[in-house]
Order: sequence, then C-alpha cells, then structure tokens
Amino acid sequence: SQTIHQWPATLVQPVGSPLSLECTVEGTSNPNLYWYRQAAGRGLQLLFYSVGIGQISSEVPQNLSASRPQDRQFILSSKKLLLSDSGFYLCAWQGLQETQYFGPGTRLLVL
Amino acid sequence: GIQVEQSPPDLILQEGANSTLRCNFSDSVNNLQWFHQNPWGQLINLFYIPSGTKQNGRLSATTVATERYSLLYISSSQTTDSGVYFCAVEKNFNKFYFGSGTKLNVKP
Repeated sequence: SQTIHQWPATLVQPVGSPLSLECTVEGTSNPNLYWYRQAAGRGLQLLFYSVGIGQISSEVPQNLSASRPQDRQFILSSKKLLLSDSGFYLCAWQGLQETQYFGPGTRLLVL
Repeated sequence: GIQVEQSPPDLILQEGANSTLRCNFSDSVNNLQWFHQNPWGQLINLFYIPSGTKQNGRLSATTVATERYSLLYISSSQTTDSGVYFCAVEKNFNKFYFGSGTKLNVKP
C-alpha cells in the first residue's frame, strides 16, 4: 500500500532563516505531487505541483521554492523565511481516479 | 482560478442528528473530492465524485455537475465526525482549488 511521509512534524524558525521540508511517497511510481499551505482556520492553498522529476509548477509567487530530485521525493524550501510563511504545510500525492492522499503535515511557526 | 464556496462555515450538532454540507463551484470541473480534516490536521479523502451519487456507510455525496454544486450528507452523526470538511475541485492541469471548509462540532 502507498504511504506518504513528511518531516519534521513541527518546526519553529526565526525570521530570515532558511527552510527545507521533505515529503516522500512509498508504494507508487511517478505520482503527481503537491505542496499546500493552510493558514489557521482557513482552507488549503496550492503552492506547487509536480508531474515528474525536475518538473515543478508554481501557483503562488512568493519566497518559497520546490524541487523534485527523485521520483518519490518532493522538497519545499526557502532561503529566508518571513513571518507570513507560518502555517501548516501539507504534501499530497495523486492516485487512482485522481484521488489525492495527504501526508501528516508540518506545522511551521516563524518568529 | 475556480471559486469554491462551502456552507455553512460552522455547524454544531447533537450526536445522532443528520446534516447536509454544500459546495458550490464557479466553473465546470473534471474532479471533485470531499475531505475530512480531523482535529490533529490529518486530511482523509471521503469521496471522489465529479458527478452522481455515492454512499459509504453513514456518509453519502451527490454532485450535480450541470448546476455546479455538491452535497455531503452525514447521517446519525457521531463525535468522531467532528472536524473540518473540505470540498476540492480540479478543472485541468492538475490544479486543485479548495473551499474554506465547514467546521463541524458533534456534541455527545
């Protein structure tokens, strides 16, 4: 069966520091992968999606970037965090019937 | 992008009650899904339902694609049904748009 992992689970970072969040998927090949951000009490905002290695589409201009160095690995990065980057970051993969499956998420607090 | 509106934003139920959640969307879509987010943040897919009706236990969903809305029915609600319910749609190019959710609180 397929499994999606995200780490770390929680992160507290100072403003201006770099960021790297990792997402890996097991049990499937060449999945579509997604990064979402959820602000407190809000819906999910699509940040990036990828249909293959090295293929990244950005939905929202911001100081975040994404990379897909391997088939089942998706990384979200920032060179300098802003206060507004705080939130709940969710990785998802797209499976059969185009159903999306989500990882457990990373709670990021920028101080 | 596509606008997705969910109603009501908040809902409080007594255990055993039934409820209907609504999702309206502004354009034709290829994909519509309902999700439940538990209090710990985990999102679970409930239904993939771009059109028609599906049922899974006490939950059922109906999408009327021509009228651009979907309904999620919860019958005999339980405290474990509490959380936030999201509707998400996709038109093309793998871009999913989420509504702002319905926060459900089922009281014992």
